[in-house]
Amino acid sequence: GIQVEQSPPDLILQEGANSTLRCNFSDSVNNLQWFHQNPWGQLINLFYIPSGTKQNGRLSATTVATERYSLLYISSSQTTDSGVYFCAVTRVWSQGNLIFGKGTKLSVKP
Amino acid sequence: GAGVSQSPRYKVAKRGQDVALRCDPISGHVSLFWYQQALGQGPEFLTYFQNEAQLDKSGLPSDRFFAERPEGSVSTLKIQRTQQEDSAVYLCASSLTGMEFFGPGTRLTVL
Repeated sequence: GIQVEQSPPDLILQEGANSTLRCNFSDSVNNLQWFHQNPWGQLINLFYIPSGTKQNGRLSATTVATERYSLLYISSSQTTDSGVYFCAVTRVWSQGNLIFGKGTKLSVKP
Repeated sequence: GAGVSQSPRYKVAKRGQDVALRCDPISGHVSLFWYQQALGQGPEFLTYFQNEAQLDKSGLPSDRFFAERPEGSVSTLKIQRTQQEDSAVYLCASSLTGMEFFGPGTRLTVL
């Protein structure tokens, strides 16, 4: 099946720093989503981005489908950005169920 | 509703008990998914419904797991004769056009 690899697995930042999270996937995909799982376990939608670039405030994402990777950029990080960031994809011709990476655990220190 | 809701939020069961977990999807969402998330891992797919039809149950780990969505809206995930390895967070997601929205999950602890 399709493999989804996220890097780095852990990231510690000082408040105000910028960061880039990476997601590599091993096959063609229909859908790619980035989520933030907060400390209470809620998965919050960040981006639905099977291709191209999107921006939402301090966050932006780019997916290069032909090269099978996606990047999530966090600028001017805040302590509330802490949590686990997941990349998830759906395979072409699948029913649409998401396949998740193992996540990047981000800790932003004040 | 405004978002996906799940109940209960927390469930403690003794080994061997049956449990039922409920999911209320976003109104009008045709697709409904159940996922299982073990501690420190990403969610893993369990089963998928399109309206009331269960089109994929390939992720259900054993025949003790059963899901239904009889009227194409609310769904229930039932686990019979719970085992300790069933302890996890169970997440429900719904979708209309491909983007999936998740509920807060039910944390199941089997003692």
